[in-house]
Amino acid sequence: GQNIDQPTEMTATEGAIVQINCTYQTSGFNGLFWYQQHAGEAPTFLSYNVLDGLEEKGRFSSFLSRSKGYSYLLLKEFQMKDSASYLCAVMDSNYQLIWGAGTKLIIKP
Amino acid sequence: DADVTQTPRNRITKTGKRIMLECSQTKGHDRMYWYRQDPGLGLRLIYYSFDVKDINKGEISDGYSVSRQAQAKFSLSLESAIPNQTALYFCATSGTSDTGELFFGEGSRLTVL
Repeated sequence: GQNIDQPTEMTATEGAIVQINCTYQTSGFNGLFWYQQHAGEAPTFLSYNVLDGLEEKGRFSSFLSRSKGYSYLLLKEFQMKDSASYLCAVMDSNYQLIWGAGTKLIIKP
Repeated sequence: DADVTQTPRNRITKTGKRIMLECSQTKGHDRMYWYRQDPGLGLRLIYYSFDVKDINKGEISDGYSVSRQAQAKFSLSLESAIPNQTALYFCATSGTSDTGELFFGEGSRLTVL
């Protein structure tokens, strides 16, 4: 079957660098997405990787290794407004999105 | 105003009732989707449509039906609601960008008693 794994919850202090990992097993691969979802709100697009390597976008970066079935989202200078769930999703060979359950990122008091 | 609008935002209903969730978009996208989100689970695709005459079942279409009334409108119906259809429902659209990113509506929270 198809599977996306990511940690359920993580905590971070303000100003920290946070890395959220995602591993996947899918029928084919046509790209990996990261979305941010604040509590009670809609997911919003953060990044897309289809080739191996790092994509940087402001404080957010996303890395992909297709051979390892692995990605991470890197968030620099963690701020309170970044407290949200981060969803990893993979597009399979049929161009269907397979979603992980999300990682809830909480600020450490 | 939101580019993807869902109504109602919240609904409480009883088992056996028919419910319709509506979605409209001003993004001019051809592709529209309905997802449900449950705690601890990833988003699951119910139905999707790539244009007005195209309707496709997703991963969990049983108990649901859809109607694509126009390019901008895509409705989801629960013909006879049951408690395990209690969930947060999202409509989404996508265009023809290289990434195929999704644009989500604000969500419709449905509770079936």
